[in-house]
Amino acid sequence: GQNIDQPTEMTATEGAIVQINCTYQTSGFNGLFWYQQHAGEAPTFLSYNVLDGLEEKGRFSSFLSRSKGYSYLLLKELQMKDSASYLCASMDSNYQLIWGAGTKLIIKP
Amino acid sequence: IAGITQAPTSQILAAGRRMTLRCTQDMRHNAMYWYRQDLGLGLRLIHYSNTAGTTGKGEVPDGYSVSRANTDDFPLTLASAVPSQTSVYFCASSGAGTDTQYFGPGTRLTVL
Repeated sequence: GQNIDQPTEMTATEGAIVQINCTYQTSGFNGLFWYQQHAGEAPTFLSYNVLDGLEEKGRFSSFLSRSKGYSYLLLKELQMKDSASYLCASMDSNYQLIWGAGTKLIIKP
Repeated sequence: IAGITQAPTSQILAAGRRMTLRCTQDMRHNAMYWYRQDLGLGLRLIHYSNTAGTTGKGEVPDGYSVSRANTDDFPLTLASAVPSQTSVYFCASSGAGTDTQYFGPGTRLTVL
């Protein structure tokens, strides 16, 4: 079957670093997406990985290991505005996204 | 219009009524999607369209129908609403293949 797992909630301190993990089982894997969703708003695209390794984009980085079915999103120099839910989604052989339930990130001053 | 728009923003509906949620994009994207988002669950695909004139069923299609008469519009219809269809509905679009999906602002629907 197809499945995505990510932690329900995480708490971190402003200025710190946090890593949000995601494991997936997807048939015909076509890449891994991360989206950010603020409360009451639409998801917005953060990153896409299809090859193994780390992709860095400013304060946010995303890592993929295809052999382990594992990805993480790394957020550095946390700011209060980073408080949001982070959604992991894998793309299957039909180019459809399979979504995790999201990780709610709480930033404390 | 810039991106994707959805209407209405929110709606309270009596059970048994018919309702159409509207979605329009101006990015000339081939693919469009309807998702529902419920607390504690991931986004679930209701229906999709890979190109104008074609539609397909997603994970939770029962009770919903769609049409894709042209590239820009992808309405979602609830023929006879039930309380379990209370949810936030997001429309999204993408170019093709592994292209990023871009989301509309959502419609919050309550069925009483």
